[in-house]
Amino acid sequence: KNEVEQSPQNLTAQEGEFITINCSYSVGISALHWLQQHPGGGIVSLFMLSSGKKKHGRLIATINIQEKHSSLHITASHPRDSAVYICAVSTYGGATNKLIFGTGTLLAVQP
Amino acid sequence: GEEVAQTPKHLVRGEGQKAKLYCAPIKGHSYVFWYQQVLKNEFKFLISFQNENVFDETGMPKERFSAKCLPNSPCSLEIQATKLEDSAVYFCASKVVRDLNSPLHFGNGTRLTVT
Repeated sequence: KNEVEQSPQNLTAQEGEFITINCSYSVGISALHWLQQHPGGGIVSLFMLSSGKKKHGRLIATINIQEKHSSLHITASHPRDSAVYICAVSTYGGATNKLIFGTGTLLAVQP
Repeated sequence: GEEVAQTPKHLVRGEGQKAKLYCAPIKGHSYVFWYQQVLKNEFKFLISFQNENVFDETGMPKERFSAKCLPNSPCSLEIQATKLEDSAVYFCASKVVRDLNSPLHFGNGTRLTVT
């Protein structure tokens, strides 16, 4: 079983829909990252959070440390949101700061 | 610069040839990480540096992979005698300090194809 699990693996939505992507992890973490990877391949860091909730534009990320679960929400989705969304965690005791990645959620927003 | 710059964007090598990838971290960033992405979204940590010092190399296949971050030069990842299984996108990322909660900035990756 992967240490970081995401669901769903694939998601198709209509423009304007509210989207939720979930991430569960089984290790102790110091921070959780949400990353966006576009078809061209580049990776953009969307959020880094260790507690509570963060919002940036139409994107909202929440984390529940006790339940070891995080969600990424996209409000009023748009075709340009189509990308792979990846959850990754920085683990405790890891002086190395290396990340453990989930397998990603492929999101397609149709006009 | 204000972005992590990776070169080349694409690299094609015949099996057994050498491949060398470069990464210029954001100016002022002390920590550099190399990740290998194979098959959709499987990311594997390779190595990290604190300035020019290796910080963690537990992910490196040491027989054929080596990496350096020298002062005033881009960091490099070199693969001697490439194998078909080395075909992947190699991402470099940098961050300012060791703080586990400081943001990580990724480059656009180098796609290595071994034929």
